[in-house]
Amino acid sequence: ETGVTQSPTHLIKTRGQQVTLRCSSQSGHNTVSWYQQALGQGPQFIFQYYREEENGRGNFPPRFSGLQFPNYSSELNVNALELDDSALYLCASSFINEQFFGPGTRLTVL
Amino acid sequence: QQQVKQSPQSLIVQKGGISIINCAYENTAFDYFPWYQQFPGKGPALLIAIRPDVSEKKEGRFTISFNKSAKQFSLHIMDSQPGDSATYFCAASNEAGAGSYQLTFGKGTKLSVIP
Repeated sequence: ETGVTQSPTHLIKTRGQQVTLRCSSQSGHNTVSWYQQALGQGPQFIFQYYREEENGRGNFPPRFSGLQFPNYSSELNVNALELDDSALYLCASSFINEQFFGPGTRLTVL
Repeated sequence: QQQVKQSPQSLIVQKGGISIINCAYENTAFDYFPWYQQFPGKGPALLIAIRPDVSEKKEGRFTISFNKSAKQFSLHIMDSQPGDSATYFCAASNEAGAGSYQLTFGKGTKLSVIP
């Protein structure tokens, strides 16, 4: 167990809706990264937060947004959901570059 | 685009045998190379990692071999066990600016260890 928790475990939404996923980072870790893992693929970097500010972003559109709170927990928000957004969303907490992943949230968009 | 290429896509190994997974990268700025193990329905778990200033790192049954000139690295699992059956991902990262480290993953290798 890494100490990184995510909620909810599973989520079903319909196309066009909005979703918020949550992550609590491991104690002592000040950086949170979010990744999208499509079925049968490796995780793809969405963005990273450090000291409550976005600190790096992958090739994802602006409808993917996030927040980091003073206790280093984080949220991932996705607006205007599309069918292709169906995936496992992973949160990773880190101190410098060693990243530890949570169990993920399985999002299904119908 | 930064890429990490991983092979094979799937691997079947007899119990007690050696499992070998290979990765190649393009970006010479990468300076940290971790391997992750993922079981179905779980998040990736950090297994072992290496930096390019060493050619080999061993932790228990797991060894990373690193060839900086060839831009390749590999994971060796000695005495493979059925409990090692999982998907393995290689990854690479570098400081993308202002302390930002993003991992670039390979596509994964599904390992099956048969008794």
